[in-house]
Amino acid sequence: DAGITQSPRHKVTETGTPVTLRCHQTENHRYMYWYRQDPGHGLRLIHYSYGVKDTDKGEVSDGYSVSRSKTEDFLLTLESATSSQTSVYFCAISPGQDLYGYTFGSGTRLTVV
Amino acid sequence: AQSVSQHNHHVILSEAASLELGCNYSYGGTVNLFWYVQYPGQHLQLLLKYFSGDPLVKGIKGFEAEFIKSKFSFNLRKPSVQWSDTAEYFCAVILSNDYKLSFGAGTTVTVRA
Repeated sequence: DAGITQSPRHKVTETGTPVTLRCHQTENHRYMYWYRQDPGHGLRLIHYSYGVKDTDKGEVSDGYSVSRSKTEDFLLTLESATSSQTSVYFCAISPGQDLYGYTFGSGTRLTVV
Repeated sequence: AQSVSQHNHHVILSEAASLELGCNYSYGGTVNLFWYVQYPGQHLQLLLKYFSGDPLVKGIKGFEAEFIKSKFSFNLRKPSVQWSDTAEYFCAVILSNDYKLSFGAGTTVTVRA
């Protein structure tokens, strides 16, 4: 969707290396989220942010960290990539009120070999 | 524990058949409900949402969903599917006044021409 972009779209990395995924929005939404999508699990929340420098853990946060130094960017870092982190990662944004749901980015397909 | 359950993992239909996908949730408070669709290789898009009022909600592409509070259900329906409805469908729930969506595991729908 317009207003939210993820980079890179695809990445292959080696086990043990750090990886950073970027989510950029132009909607000035307060809330940003990182999910991972795996077959049979749907989307699971990794981390989310409710403002600049304000972040919190989701249900599958182990091995991941995030940073949000400005409203438009939300970075997800895999500190030391493992094969279990091979997944499709989606960023989402929300104005913060529960009425609107989320707008999703196009996803990043990450393969850890 | 709070959860969202989608009963069908994979549904295969012929064109013009009717579709119904089940969704149940276990949250105790007031909830807002969503159905998202993910076409092959794409990101999630909002199909429809329920916040309050008429429990029968109409969305895009001829989809509708019915909220039955007593059954904690929010089933998705379409009277006559098309080949282009082949996609993965996700039910999602958010607690009123919260800002974190929880997703079901998804249902893959394959429509045969």
